[in-house]
Amino acid sequence: DAKTTQPNSMESNEEEPVHLPCNHSTISGTDYIHWYRQLPSQGPEYVIHGLTSNVNNRMASLAIAEDRKSSTLILHRATLRDAAVYYCILRDVDTGRRALTFGSGTRLQVQP
Amino acid sequence: GAVVSQHPSRVICKSGTSVKIECRSLDFQATTMFWYRQFPKQSLMLMATSNEGSKATYEQGVEKDKFLINHASLTLSTLTVTSAHPEDSSFYICSASVYAGGARNEQFFGPGTRLTVL
Repeated sequence: DAKTTQPNSMESNEEEPVHLPCNHSTISGTDYIHWYRQLPSQGPEYVIHGLTSNVNNRMASLAIAEDRKSSTLILHRATLRDAAVYYCILRDVDTGRRALTFGSGTRLQVQP
Repeated sequence: GAVVSQHPSRVICKSGTSVKIECRSLDFQATTMFWYRQFPKQSLMLMATSNEGSKATYEQGVEKDKFLINHASLTLSTLTVTSAHPEDSSFYICSASVYAGGARNEQFFGPGTRLTVL
């Protein structure tokens, strides 16, 4: 899987938007961009994924750069419960049966 | 959404004993389950891939005789840490894959099992 680069940590205030960046300059044309997050002492959970177009769901929005070399996960109103490690992962459409490969992710702290 | 459970959630054992961790997909059938290990302040590291009815595939550096994996059914996989030592203390996480084709290849993760070996 192609490599992604994320900041080690970010801070946010409660009820403010959060933009979590991810660089993936070596992304291939068939790589999907997936985001997972891991709350403290829990297993990871799926957040969102996309290919080229921006995506929205009840948890977050995913903004994908036109050249696809970077993306941003957007939490519209951060809550204390959103404090977690966020992982940006590239997945080729043909590797669906293989395990996810986790990088170091971004540790998000949310201040009340 | 799909739910994956793990049991136990926490276990403390003495050095030299064996510990079994169960991973179940509660509301779906998973042909493939994965086992990860996570040390404090580190990311998840894949240990092995488990396919129902066949032998598990272990990642490089993971001892298959020490970490026994059994995938007896489409909803259950077990990881047994044999002759556990303090360095095996870690957070063990399983996941189950639902292969839907295309981009929808989600993995659903269990809540994890924290193993402490004294």
